[in-house]
This record gives sequence, C-alpha cells and structure tokens, in this order.
Amino acid sequence: AQSVTQLDSHVSVSEGTPVLLRCNYSSSYSPSLFWYVQHPNKGLQLLLKYTSAATLVKGINGFEAEFKKSETSFHLTKPSAHMSDAAEYFCVVSDQDSNYQLIWGAGTKLIIKP
Amino acid sequence: DTGVSQNPRHKITKRGQNVTFRCDPISEHNRLYWYRQTLGQGPEFLTYFQNEAQLEKSRLLSDRFSAERPKGSFSTLEIQRTEQGDSAMYLCASSLGEGNRVFGPGTRLTVL
Repeated sequence: AQSVTQLDSHVSVSEGTPVLLRCNYSSSYSPSLFWYVQHPNKGLQLLLKYTSAATLVKGINGFEAEFKKSETSFHLTKPSAHMSDAAEYFCVVSDQDSNYQLIWGAGTKLIIKP
Repeated sequence: DTGVSQNPRHKITKRGQNVTFRCDPISEHNRLYWYRQTLGQGPEFLTYFQNEAQLEKSRLLSDRFSAERPKGSFSTLEIQRTEQGDSAMYLCASSLGEGNRVFGPGTRLTVL
C-alpha cells in the first residue's frame, strides 16, 4: 500500500528566502504524486503533479518539485518566499491499489516571517 | 463562480442531532468525492460517486453516515445522531474521470 510522510509539521522562513517542504513516499508502483495548498477558509488547490513524465515538475506560483526515485522523495521548493505563500501544504500519492484514491500526508504549515 | 460549492460553510449542532451538507460540483464533472479533515491532519477519503452511482465507501463511513447523488449532479452527506467525534471539516471535490480533483471550500461541523 502507498503512504506518504511529510517530515516537518511546521516550516518557518523569512520573506525572500528559499522554501523547502519535504515529502517521502512509499509505493510499490511508479506513483503519481501531488502537492496541494490550503489557505485558511479556502478550498484545497492543486500546486503541481508528477505522473512519470519529467522528474522536475513546475507548478503554480513559482513552486516546483523534483521526483527522486532513489530517495523516494518529492520535495517542494520555491526560490523566494512571498507572504502570500503562508498556508498548509499537503503531499499526496495516488493509491493504485484502491482505485486511485488519494493518500494524504499530515501537512506542513508554512510560516513566512516579514 | 464555476467552482465547487458547499453549503453550509459552518454548522454547529448538538450531540444526537442529524445534519445534512450539500455539495454542488463543477457541472461537467462526473465524479464527486467526500473527504473529512480534522485539525492538523490531511483529508481522509469517505466516499465517491461516478455520476449517480456510489462506487466506493471508506471504512471510516459508519452506518450513521449516508451520501447520495440522486441525479448525478449535486450530492448530500447526512450524519445521523451526531457525536462530538464527528466535528471536522467536510470537503467535497469533483473531477472529470481521472482528471484533477477540484475541491470546494468545505463545511466545518462543530458538535457540542
């Protein structure tokens, strides 16, 4: 069965500095992986997804993630944080054993310091 | 706005009462999903529909929970005899087949 682990419950960075949100997955198959963002009082929004094409995936709002099979990782990065990036971020794997249901990490809260 | 809408956005109820939530998906989407999210956790899958057929239910969905999508458009999620442990955000999402899921803003349920 697939699973996903987000290594940090909270990440705090200063505005203008790089962002790194870590995610490790476990999968018997070549997985589909996603990052979603959840702003307070707003719906979950898809940032980017990996589906076995290019290993470096570019998403919205300047975010990107790199699929590393050898490390079973799918870390999310952004070169320069903006105040509007403050939100909860979820790493997600698609479960091929369960009709492609989404398996969610526990989330990482990104805090941006001015 | 052509996104997924959910009503109500907030619901406060007393233990033992029944509550019903509504989800209106994107009109051309044939799949509709329900999730539950508690504080500090990612969403947990509850059930999903393809058109009007309920194709999968999580073991999390006890007998007190029922979901319908009678005409393959909007869906309702009913919780009977609510318990304090039911307090959570209930999220709805829709998709066109295996395409990207679009999420609604959620209904926050508080059971006193």
